[in-house]
Amino acid sequence: SQKIEQNSEALNIQEGKTATLTCNYTNYSPAYLQWYRQDPGRGPVFLLLIRENEKEKRKERLKVTFDTTLKQSLFHITASQPADSATYLCALASNQGGKLIFGQGTELSVKP
Amino acid sequence: GAVVSQHPSWVICKSGTSVKIECRSLDFQATTMFWYRQFPKQSLMLMATSNEGSKATYEQGVEKDKFLINHASLTLSTLTVTSAHPEDSSFYICSARSQGDSGTDTQYFGPGTRLTVL
Repeated sequence: SQKIEQNSEALNIQEGKTATLTCNYTNYSPAYLQWYRQDPGRGPVFLLLIRENEKEKRKERLKVTFDTTLKQSLFHITASQPADSATYLCALASNQGGKLIFGQGTELSVKP
Repeated sequence: GAVVSQHPSWVICKSGTSVKIECRSLDFQATTMFWYRQFPKQSLMLMATSNEGSKATYEQGVEKDKFLINHASLTLSTLTVTSAHPEDSSFYICSARSQGDSGTDTQYFGPGTRLTVL
């Protein structure tokens, strides 16, 4: 069955450092991979989408890579700030705007 | 742009009653909306796909008679939890499909509704 794995352990880093989160998947060939941010008690907020034929996508301090051979995506936040503290979810879709399958999320905590 | 609202943000009800949750796309039209539920410390689980003007498509294991979905317009979908029981207590989140940047479609999520059934 399709499986998406994100680091279940919380990631604690110092302000100003780069945070790197991992998303691995098996038994799936997604056409799109998306990253969302979720704060406690709130709905997910869309951050970035990357297609299967794209290796890397950037948006301000965010960078996403997508390796379909390794079946892995890396999500980077450079110059991290305490305000970046949240849970980050990766989600896969086989078609544009279609059903999303979510990972369990990784909680990021950025300390001042 | 791409703002989705949900109402109510939280609701407490007695066991056996029905609860309706509204999901609205405020600044775009959405032919497709999705309903998810999320338990504490767990990921979002898709319950159903709601298409404007047609019947919703439910995921395996989701009771369609218990979770009634109506997508009557291009900006509104409703989820009604019928005869709610304590095990239905959860965080319900909707999303709406919108045209994103560079011609991509993606889902934008509402803020969620916390349902507590006593």
